[in-house]
Amino acid sequence: DAGVIQSPRHEVTEMGQEVTLRCKPISGHDYLFWYRQTMMRGLELLIYFNNNVPIDDSGMPEDRFSAKMPNASFSTLKIQPSEPRDSAVYFCASSFRTNPGNTIYFGEGSWLTVV
Amino acid sequence: DAKTTQPPSMDCAEGRAANLPCNHSTISGNEYVYWYRQIHSQGPQYIIHGLKNNETNEMASLIITEDRKSSTLILPHATLRDTAVYYCLGRGYSTLTFGKGTMLLVS
Repeated sequence: DAGVIQSPRHEVTEMGQEVTLRCKPISGHDYLFWYRQTMMRGLELLIYFNNNVPIDDSGMPEDRFSAKMPNASFSTLKIQPSEPRDSAVYFCASSFRTNPGNTIYFGEGSWLTVV
Repeated sequence: DAKTTQPPSMDCAEGRAANLPCNHSTISGNEYVYWYRQIHSQGPQYIIHGLKNNETNEMASLIITEDRKSSTLILPHATLRDTAVYYCLGRGYSTLTFGKGTMLLVS
């Protein structure tokens, strides 16, 4: 299996620009998660989906952030407009169900720098 | 999810066993103990998980105490490539909540 695939791996953008991060979950997984990692806050959950439907978006920092999952094999996390404080590593993860015994697998992350 | 407590850092000599402790005294009956690690600039990597019994796979062994209030991750023969931050998490029917983990330095 190819694992969770994220793109781009690295992005540098100017403040005010729109940023779109993409994720392809592991085939057959019905849960998809977006996490953000910073030095100050560590790894924190932003939002997760079940069967393409957002279940909990309480971790999304503000209205500038939005996430969609148009189908079972693709999700996007968009930041518009971007700000320097959005600089972080964004991880996508997926799992089959959320039973405690089912493992959540992570992608390699998208490194975002907003200047 | 259970709150977990881990030492902030540990050292291990290459070739020796690395034993990483974790306290999870508030873990509930249906929560599994999960271990992930994160090597610099990479995504969290799943290592192992267990509920009550000790578990072993190709990467590590997990020893869970009988009262389930603590566990130990064992890397039997640590190598330099095992240098990473190791996270212990308790997980029920929800997502993963990460703490600060243990920075393991193998040298």
